[in-house]
Amino acid sequence: HITLKESGPTLVKPTQTLTLTCTFSGFSLSTSGEAVGWIRQPPGKDLEWLALIYWDDDKRYSPSLKTRSTITKDTSKNQVVLTLTNMDPLDTATYYCTKIVVRGVIPHYFEYWGQGTPVTVSS
Amino acid sequence: EIVLTQSPGTLSLFPGERATLSCRASQNIPSNYLAWYQLRPGQAPRLLIHGASSRAADIPDRFSGSGSGRDFSLTISRLEPEDVAVYYCQQYGRSPPNTFGQGTKLEIK
Repeated sequence: HITLKESGPTLVKPTQTLTLTCTFSGFSLSTSGEAVGWIRQPPGKDLEWLALIYWDDDKRYSPSLKTRSTITKDTSKNQVVLTLTNMDPLDTATYYCTKIVVRGVIPHYFEYWGQGTPVTVSS
Repeated sequence: EIVLTQSPGTLSLFPGERATLSCRASQNIPSNYLAWYQLRPGQAPRLLIHGASSRAADIPDRFSGSGSGRDFSLTISRLEPEDVAVYYCQQYGRSPPNTFGQGTKLEIK
């Protein structure tokens, strides 16, 4: 049974750094072929893929957020952490953690999702 | 980047009716690499369909996907109240970035 759960602050101030943690169970990110990523959805807007990390610690980032994003993993804790620097009110969104189906090194679809965590950026 | 356009924006139907949701891509999606998701308020999003027509695990056979090239659809036969959700398509034929459509909101009358 695979589960993912996001945790982190619900409110951050502009210019601050957001740190979100995804804690998962039912699979291991040390297993070849596994990948975990982040997706967000601002209120009333589209889903946006942000970043992913592979079992071998390779990483991919959305071009629009690449300079502000860092994704890391702690295999022993079954956790993936996303940091987003210089937060702006436009970053207000629900942030989802997902387990991604990968073929080779190509990310395919998002097989399992967490429930999401809302983040508001406001002073 | 492939742009996905979903229609209609909102669909309102009675229980038991059939819903057909459309997803059109701005260019051909290789290998029909298209997925559908269901987002219900307060719940984790759920993968419904991948590869345009393959149902994900534990998805009822009321849900079916079809299409190829640029035009894809999700059909929900025999609507149930629990089907109230926003449905999104997503392409992974040319990624990253994996891109999503803007969603279709399904209402049950």
